[in-house]
Amino acid sequence: EVLLVESGGGLVQPGGSLRLSCAASGFTFSNYKMNWVRQAPGKGLEWVSSISTSSSFIYYADSMKGRFTISRDNAKKSLYLQVNSLRAEDTAVYYCAREPTSYYGSGNYYFDYWGQGTLVTVSS
Amino acid sequence: QSALTQPPSVSGSRGQSVTISCTGTTSDIGSSDRVSWYLQPPGTAPKLIIYDVSNRPSGVPDRFSGSKSGNTASLTISGLQAEDEADYYCTSRTSSSTLVFGGGTKVTVL
Repeated sequence: EVLLVESGGGLVQPGGSLRLSCAASGFTFSNYKMNWVRQAPGKGLEWVSSISTSSSFIYYADSMKGRFTISRDNAKKSLYLQVNSLRAEDTAVYYCAREPTSYYGSGNYYFDYWGQGTLVTVSS
Repeated sequence: QSALTQPPSVSGSRGQSVTISCTGTTSDIGSSDRVSWYLQPPGTAPKLIIYDVSNRPSGVPDRFSGSKSGNTASLTISGLQAEDEADYYCTSRTSSSTLVFGGGTKVTVL
């Protein structure tokens, strides 16, 4: 069974930092492009970032560039998101999502499995 | 990258059909067949229901169908059922190899 379990969320003061983790199981993690998607309370889904199988290709939404850093450890089957200089508007549930990936490493730009999400609250 | 445009809400009676539009630009929907749709019941993670414009993953009922014309993609739910009540989101690959979501549409079954 494919499982994605996020952790690392919590209450953080404005200006603080957080590192979110996503532990994968039930599939060969190194064969899949991975993504972070967030959802502010009562709002819609917002794509954050993607990382290729070997970390060679990394992309961010324009509004996330500079403060967000995605990374992965294939040996640990884990995906990470480092978020710095947190702002109130970063308050959201952060989901990790698996993207079906071709043999050559090309992503298919949709998500077949999602984690349950981890809530980040930025408040003083 | 601006969000794709979806109607905030659509509604229909049980058994009817509803269609949700998703309008983008030539930099996303208009130049890519990597359009997908997700449904999200309250308090749960999104679930994939359509990928590559019109393909359904295994286990998704054929009541759900997708299409695309120009810069607009559409999701049609035929034979609306009570369990279809949820938020629906479209997404598309962009010309910058990123992804963009629509603002979401709440489907209400009357």
